[in-house]
Amino acid sequence: DQQVKQNSPSLSVQEGRISILNCDYTNSMFDYFLWYKKYPAEGPTFLISISSIKDKNEDGRFTVFLNKSAKHLSLHIVPSQPGDSAVYFCAAREGNEKLTFGTGTRLTIIP
Amino acid sequence: KAGVTQTPRYLIKTRGQQVTLSCSPISGHRSVSWYQQTPGQGLQFLFEYFSETQRNKGNFPGRFSGRQFSNSRSEMNVSTLELGDSALYLCASSPWGNYGYTFGSGTRLTVV
Repeated sequence: DQQVKQNSPSLSVQEGRISILNCDYTNSMFDYFLWYKKYPAEGPTFLISISSIKDKNEDGRFTVFLNKSAKHLSLHIVPSQPGDSAVYFCAAREGNEKLTFGTGTRLTIIP
Repeated sequence: KAGVTQTPRYLIKTRGQQVTLSCSPISGHRSVSWYQQTPGQGLQFLFEYFSETQRNKGNFPGRFSGRQFSNSRSEMNVSTLELGDSALYLCASSPWGNYGYTFGSGTRLTVV
Protein backbone atom coordinates (compact mmCIF):
# COMPACT_ATOMS: atom_id res chain seq x y z
CA ASP A 1 0.00 0.00 0.00
CA GLN A 2 1.35 3.39 -1.00
CA GLN A 3 0.90 5.57 2.06
CA VAL A 4 2.56 8.58 0.42
CA LYS A 5 1.53 9.43 -3.12
CA GLN A 6 2.83 11.85 -5.68
CA ASN A 7 0.29 11.61 -8.46
CA SER A 8 2.17 13.73 -10.97
CA PRO A 9 5.19 11.86 -12.33
CA SER A 10 6.38 14.97 -14.14
CA LEU A 11 5.89 18.73 -14.24
CA SER A 12 7.23 21.42 -16.57
CA VAL A 13 7.35 25.07 -15.51
CA GLN A 14 8.65 28.20 -17.18
CA GLU A 15 11.69 29.79 -15.56
CA GLY A 16 10.67 32.56 -13.16
CA ARG A 17 7.19 31.14 -12.56
CA ILE A 18 5.95 29.21 -9.54
CA SER A 19 6.43 25.43 -9.33
CA ILE A 20 3.91 23.56 -7.17
CA LEU A 21 4.58 19.94 -6.32
CA ASN A 22 1.89 17.95 -4.56
CA CYS A 23 1.87 15.00 -2.22
CA ASP A 24 -1.00 13.10 -0.57
CA TYR A 25 -0.79 10.71 2.34
CA THR A 26 -3.15 8.25 3.95
CA ASN A 27 -1.66 7.68 7.41
CA SER A 28 -3.11 10.25 9.82
CA MET A 29 -0.43 9.32 12.36
CA PHE A 30 2.36 10.87 10.27
CA ASP A 31 3.74 13.78 12.26
CA TYR A 32 6.72 14.94 10.26
CA PHE A 33 7.05 15.62 6.57
CA LEU A 34 10.05 16.28 4.37
CA TRP A 35 10.90 17.15 0.80
CA TYR A 36 14.02 15.84 -0.90
CA LYS A 37 15.53 16.80 -4.23
CA LYS A 38 17.46 14.32 -6.34
CA TYR A 39 19.76 14.87 -9.29
CA PRO A 40 20.77 11.92 -11.53
CA ALA A 41 23.63 9.81 -10.14
CA GLU A 42 23.38 11.51 -6.74
CA GLY A 43 21.59 10.68 -3.52
CA PRO A 44 18.55 12.71 -2.45
CA THR A 45 19.35 15.93 -0.62
CA PHE A 46 17.16 17.37 2.08
CA LEU A 47 15.25 20.46 1.05
CA ILE A 48 12.70 21.47 3.64
CA SER A 49 10.53 19.89 6.33
CA ILE A 50 7.44 20.60 8.37
CA SER A 51 6.06 19.28 11.62
CA SER A 52 2.40 18.35 11.86
CA ILE A 53 1.85 21.12 14.40
CA LYS A 54 2.47 23.70 11.69
CA ASP A 55 0.74 24.42 8.40
CA LYS A 56 3.51 26.33 6.66
CA ASN A 57 7.28 26.48 6.63
CA GLU A 58 9.35 28.77 4.48
CA ASP A 59 13.02 28.72 3.53
CA GLY A 60 14.07 31.18 0.87
CA ARG A 61 12.41 30.29 -2.42
CA PHE A 62 10.92 27.11 -0.95
CA THR A 63 7.68 26.92 1.04
CA VAL A 64 5.97 23.78 2.24
CA PHE A 65 2.26 23.80 3.08
CA LEU A 66 0.53 21.13 5.13
CA ASN A 67 -3.23 20.57 5.12
CA LYS A 68 -3.83 17.91 7.75
CA SER A 69 -7.55 17.64 7.21
CA ALA A 70 -7.01 16.90 3.53
CA LYS A 71 -3.86 14.86 4.22
CA HIS A 72 -2.11 16.95 1.61
CA LEU A 73 1.34 18.44 1.38
CA SER A 74 2.67 20.82 -1.23
CA LEU A 75 6.01 22.40 -2.09
CA HIS A 76 6.10 25.81 -3.73
CA ILE A 77 9.22 27.07 -5.47
CA VAL A 78 9.20 30.75 -6.35
CA PRO A 79 10.75 31.84 -8.62
CA SER A 80 11.70 28.63 -10.40
CA GLN A 81 15.26 28.43 -11.70
CA PRO A 82 16.92 26.04 -14.19
CA GLY A 83 18.92 24.47 -11.34
CA ASP A 84 15.65 23.38 -9.77
CA SER A 85 15.22 20.76 -12.48
CA ALA A 86 15.39 17.47 -10.59
CA VAL A 87 13.23 14.72 -9.14
CA TYR A 88 11.44 15.76 -5.95
CA PHE A 89 10.39 13.24 -3.33
CA CYS A 90 8.08 13.91 -0.43
CA ALA A 91 8.49 11.77 2.66
CA ALA A 92 6.63 11.29 5.93
CA ARG A 93 7.19 9.57 9.21
CA GLU A 94 5.33 8.64 12.35
CA GLY A 95 7.32 9.11 15.52
CA ASN A 96 10.53 7.10 15.29
CA GLU A 97 9.28 4.90 12.49
CA LYS A 98 10.90 4.72 9.08
CA LEU A 99 10.66 7.47 6.49
CA THR A 100 8.04 6.62 3.87
CA PHE A 101 8.71 8.17 0.47
CA GLY A 102 6.47 9.03 -2.44
CA THR A 103 7.30 7.91 -5.98
CA GLY A 104 8.73 11.28 -6.97
CA THR A 105 7.89 14.07 -9.41
CA ARG A 106 10.33 15.05 -12.14
CA LEU A 107 10.39 18.86 -12.37
CA THR A 108 11.72 20.45 -15.54
CA ILE A 109 12.28 24.19 -15.63
CA ILE A 110 12.04 25.59 -19.13
CA PRO A 111 14.39 28.53 -19.79
CA LYS B 1 32.91 16.93 7.47
CA ALA B 2 32.77 13.93 5.14
CA GLY B 3 29.36 12.86 3.87
CA VAL B 4 27.85 9.43 3.61
CA THR B 5 30.08 7.15 1.56
CA GLN B 6 28.73 4.18 -0.34
CA THR B 7 30.90 1.62 -2.08
CA PRO B 8 31.04 0.47 -4.74
CA ARG B 9 29.31 3.05 -6.93
CA TYR B 10 28.50 0.54 -9.66
CA LEU B 11 28.19 -3.21 -9.67
CA ILE B 12 27.23 -5.81 -12.23
CA LYS B 13 26.30 -9.28 -11.03
CA THR B 14 24.69 -12.33 -12.58
CA ARG B 15 21.50 -14.00 -11.43
CA GLY B 16 21.99 -16.32 -8.49
CA GLN B 17 25.05 -14.54 -7.16
CA GLN B 18 25.19 -12.64 -3.92
CA VAL B 19 26.35 -9.09 -3.31
CA THR B 20 27.48 -6.96 -0.38
CA LEU B 21 27.14 -3.19 -0.37
CA SER B 22 28.85 -0.91 2.11
CA CYS B 23 27.87 2.37 3.73
CA SER B 24 30.00 4.61 5.93
CA PRO B 25 27.84 7.17 7.74
CA ILE B 26 28.72 10.69 8.72
CA SER B 27 30.98 10.67 11.74
CA GLY B 28 28.90 10.64 14.90
CA HIS B 29 25.73 9.40 13.20
CA ARG B 30 24.44 6.24 14.84
CA SER B 31 21.51 5.43 12.56
CA VAL B 32 21.85 3.98 9.07
CA SER B 33 18.89 3.29 6.79
CA TRP B 34 18.84 1.52 3.45
CA TYR B 35 16.50 2.22 0.55
CA GLN B 36 15.97 0.70 -2.87
CA GLN B 37 15.10 3.04 -5.72
CA THR B 38 13.56 1.72 -8.91
CA PRO B 39 11.80 3.66 -11.70
CA GLY B 40 8.16 4.26 -10.81
CA GLN B 41 8.51 2.88 -7.27
CA GLY B 42 10.23 5.72 -5.55
CA LEU B 43 12.37 4.90 -2.55
CA GLN B 44 11.39 1.67 -0.87
CA PHE B 45 12.58 1.23 2.71
CA LEU B 46 14.70 -1.84 3.36
CA PHE B 47 15.86 -1.56 6.96
CA GLU B 48 17.29 0.73 9.61
CA TYR B 49 20.07 0.04 12.05
CA PHE B 50 20.79 1.95 15.22
CA SER B 51 23.69 1.10 17.50
CA GLU B 52 24.20 -2.26 15.77
CA THR B 53 20.54 -3.28 16.19
CA GLN B 54 17.96 -3.51 13.44
CA ARG B 55 15.26 -1.10 14.52
CA ASN B 56 12.89 -1.11 11.54
CA LYS B 57 12.42 -3.42 8.61
CA GLY B 58 10.61 -2.98 5.30
CA ASN B 59 8.67 -5.51 3.25
CA PHE B 60 11.50 -7.21 1.42
CA PRO B 61 12.21 -10.95 1.24
CA GLY B 62 14.73 -12.58 3.52
CA ARG B 63 17.32 -12.53 0.70
CA PHE B 64 17.91 -8.94 1.76
CA SER B 65 19.84 -8.60 5.00
CA GLY B 66 22.06 -6.11 6.69
CA ARG B 67 24.18 -5.39 9.68
CA GLN B 68 25.84 -2.52 11.46
CA PHE B 69 29.24 -2.52 13.06
CA SER B 70 30.37 -0.87 16.27
CA ASN B 71 31.79 2.06 14.28
CA SER B 72 28.28 2.57 12.75
CA ARG B 73 29.39 1.43 9.30
CA SER B 74 26.74 -0.74 7.71
CA GLU B 75 26.63 -3.45 5.09
CA MET B 76 23.72 -4.75 3.09
CA ASN B 77 23.71 -8.20 1.55
CA VAL B 78 21.48 -9.60 -1.15
CA SER B 79 21.69 -13.34 -1.81
CA THR B 80 20.46 -15.31 -4.83
CA LEU B 81 20.18 -12.22 -6.97
CA GLU B 82 17.22 -11.82 -9.31
CA LEU B 83 16.88 -9.55 -12.34
CA GLY B 84 14.34 -7.47 -10.42
CA ASP B 85 16.97 -6.59 -7.83
CA SER B 86 18.55 -4.22 -10.33
CA ALA B 87 18.20 -0.82 -8.71
CA LEU B 88 19.92 2.08 -7.05
CA TYR B 89 20.56 1.24 -3.41
CA LEU B 90 20.76 4.27 -1.17
CA CYS B 91 22.03 4.54 2.34
CA ALA B 92 21.11 7.40 4.68
CA SER B 93 22.59 8.25 8.04
CA SER B 94 21.25 10.40 10.84
CA PRO B 95 22.37 11.19 14.37
CA TRP B 96 19.50 9.45 16.16
CA GLY B 97 17.37 8.01 13.39
CA ASN B 98 14.56 10.49 13.65
CA TYR B 99 15.48 13.61 11.69
CA GLY B 100 18.43 14.96 9.79
CA TYR B 101 18.85 12.19 7.24
CA THR B 102 21.77 12.56 4.85
CA PHE B 103 21.93 10.27 1.85
CA GLY B 104 24.91 8.82 0.07
CA SER B 105 25.19 8.80 -3.72
CA GLY B 106 24.10 5.19 -3.89
CA THR B 107 25.28 1.94 -5.41
CA ARG B 108 23.88 1.14 -8.83
CA LEU B 109 23.39 -2.64 -8.98
CA THR B 110 22.70 -4.30 -12.31
CA VAL B 111 21.77 -7.97 -12.35
CA VAL B 112 22.18 -9.71 -15.71
